[in-house]
Amino acid sequence: DGGITQSPKYLFRKEGQNVTLSCEQNLNHDAMYWYRQDPGQGLRLIYYSQIVNDFQKGDIAEGYSVSREKKESFPLTVTSAQKNPTAFYLCASSIDLAQPQHFGDGTRLSIL
Amino acid sequence: SQQGEEDPQALSIQEGENATMNCSYKTSINNLQWYRQNSGRGLVHLILIRSNEREKHSGRLRVTLDTSKKSSSLLITASRAADTASYFCATQDTGGFKTIFGAGTRLFVKA
Repeated sequence: DGGITQSPKYLFRKEGQNVTLSCEQNLNHDAMYWYRQDPGQGLRLIYYSQIVNDFQKGDIAEGYSVSREKKESFPLTVTSAQKNPTAFYLCASSIDLAQPQHFGDGTRLSIL
Repeated sequence: SQQGEEDPQALSIQEGENATMNCSYKTSINNLQWYRQNSGRGLVHLILIRSNEREKHSGRLRVTLDTSKKSSSLLITASRAADTASYFCATQDTGGFKTIFGAGTRLFVKA
């Protein structure tokens, strides 16, 4: 079955640690995205990638980093510079930037 | 920046009733999309309506778009308990193909 896999489902971070969230898709999509969702709110775009080896900052990129070395993978690192990282993180992909997005089931990150 | 704003923020109805959710936006768009999110899960794309379309149907879903008023509505007919979820509108602007999501409407359908 084609889809997007995010792992882990739950992640805990200690103060000062970097953590990496995984996102893999087998849909052969060129575009991939990372969103942050806070309780009762919509999605805010962190980073997006239109194609392999290219990515752009979204609205709230500070404290986050990404890479896009392979078409199917778009990992997100939450760095210690992100002061309020507790949130639900969603990864998505689409055929291109103009098409509807397919979402993974998210990673919930909490601070210990 | 959030462009789409859904109304109401929350809606509670009985099974079998229709549910209507509205979305307003500010700038010119290429298309408007509606997504559904079950609690603790990712979003699922429901329907896309282009800026030159006025109405679109998909099963029990009916979406309208009024570009002069910069607004859209999602109607779910004959609702079921399984329709309980949050519904988000997302607009894609004419400039850079950026998709912006609203804050969502939380729908609760009572059995």
